[in-house]
Amino acid sequence: GEDVEQSLFLSVREGDSSVINCTYTDSSSTYLYWYKQEPGAGLQLLTYIFSNMDMKQDQRLTVLLNKKDKHLSLRIADTQTGDSAIYFCAEISNQAGTALIFGKGTTLSVSS
Amino acid sequence: DAGVTQSPTHLIKTRGQHVTLRCSPISGHKSVSWYQQVLGQGPQFIFQYYEKEERGRGNFPDRFSARQFPNYSSELNVNALLLGDSALYLCASSQEGGGGDEQFFGPGTRLTVL
Repeated sequence: GEDVEQSLFLSVREGDSSVINCTYTDSSSTYLYWYKQEPGAGLQLLTYIFSNMDMKQDQRLTVLLNKKDKHLSLRIADTQTGDSAIYFCAEISNQAGTALIFGKGTTLSVSS
Repeated sequence: DAGVTQSPTHLIKTRGQHVTLRCSPISGHKSVSWYQQVLGQGPQFIFQYYEKEERGRGNFPDRFSARQFPNYSSELNVNALLLGDSALYLCASSQEGGGGDEQFFGPGTRLTVL
């Protein structure tokens, strides 16, 4: 079945880079997403990558995709305290419309 | 422009009761999806509607139902509530509901079942 796995916690110091990793199972996924959720808030789309790309950069965010290993990563450069949140990796389901299949989320804690 | 809105913000119900949650998509968006997020977990897909038709359904019991209205707003209904239904219910809208469409999430409805 479809499943998305993420490490649960990451702690970094302000100014360092953060790397959040994710593995997915559906090799036919056309889009892969990173969402951010702050306490008490809904989900905010940070970035996405199309499956025919290896890398996508957007300001402080870099997404790397390894299709062979079904591995996705999100790098946040110069991490700030405002980046503290839960980050979710998601893939498109091919079994239920265009539903998103989410991982359990990685809690990023940034200390000053 | 207003984003996705959901009502109510919070809700407390007892076991066996019924609940209706509401969602208004972004203006111009024709697709609405519902997700359940249990504390400490990622969102789980419940339903997707496009142009008032069900496009997809997740692995949830028949106690869960939904519909989409001509103005593209949507309701999620849950019957015979169980303690395990306590969760944040998220609504997301997109223009066409296709794979490349960005889904915009609302702030959610926090349901507590006692």
